[in-house]
Amino acid sequence: EPEVTQTPSHQVTQMGQEVILRCVPISNHLYFYWYRQILGQKVEFLVSFYNNEISEKSEIFDDQFSVERPDGSNFTLKIRSTKLEDSAMYFCASSRGEGGTGELFFGEGSRLTVL
Amino acid sequence: DQQVKQNSPSLSVQEGRISILNCDYTNSMFDYFLWYKKYPAEGPTFLISISSIKDKNEDGRFTVFLNKSAKHLSLHIVPSQPGDSAVYFCAARDLHGSSNTGKLIFGQGTTLQVKP
Repeated sequence: EPEVTQTPSHQVTQMGQEVILRCVPISNHLYFYWYRQILGQKVEFLVSFYNNEISEKSEIFDDQFSVERPDGSNFTLKIRSTKLEDSAMYFCASSRGEGGTGELFFGEGSRLTVL
Repeated sequence: DQQVKQNSPSLSVQEGRISILNCDYTNSMFDYFLWYKKYPAEGPTFLISISSIKDKNEDGRFTVFLNKSAKHLSLHIVPSQPGDSAVYFCAARDLHGSSNTGKLIFGQGTTLQVKP
């Protein structure tokens, strides 16, 4: 069964460093998302991406964040200068599109720890 | 902005009994509601969904009920099994208000523990 894959599974970084989290969405999906979950809190929407551009972003997704689909298969989230409060699980997700049952398929997550 | 709320942070039930997880929402434009199950250090896994035009959807041991007038949905698990122990997230899709991105808005989650 096709799945969303994410790398790395865990990254530890120093405050102020740049981090890139990578995702390979399911191949015939058209919509891509990044969500995050701070420990013990809800899963929060960060950004959605469709047709090679951001279609929607949340208040959390400020100028420190960017997304890219560099080669038609990978979907990356870059945090330019990490802060302590960026420590969280970051989940990539993809979906077929606006029809269907609304199901998003999630990856296993990338745990980011900012020291 | 708590459009989707799960007011019970935890629930404990005995194996074989029914588990009922509840979710309330405020946005009447949501068109689909979904339940996800999540184990620690894993991504959310889709469980079951229901369209806003229906009031019940069943899949094996899992049934979701939707009460649109009360803006309330619930997930019933019968019979509950120890392997069902996980965090359950209610989620809703707002296709009209979110630029057709299909994004999901999640509740806070309810931790279900099924005791053997």
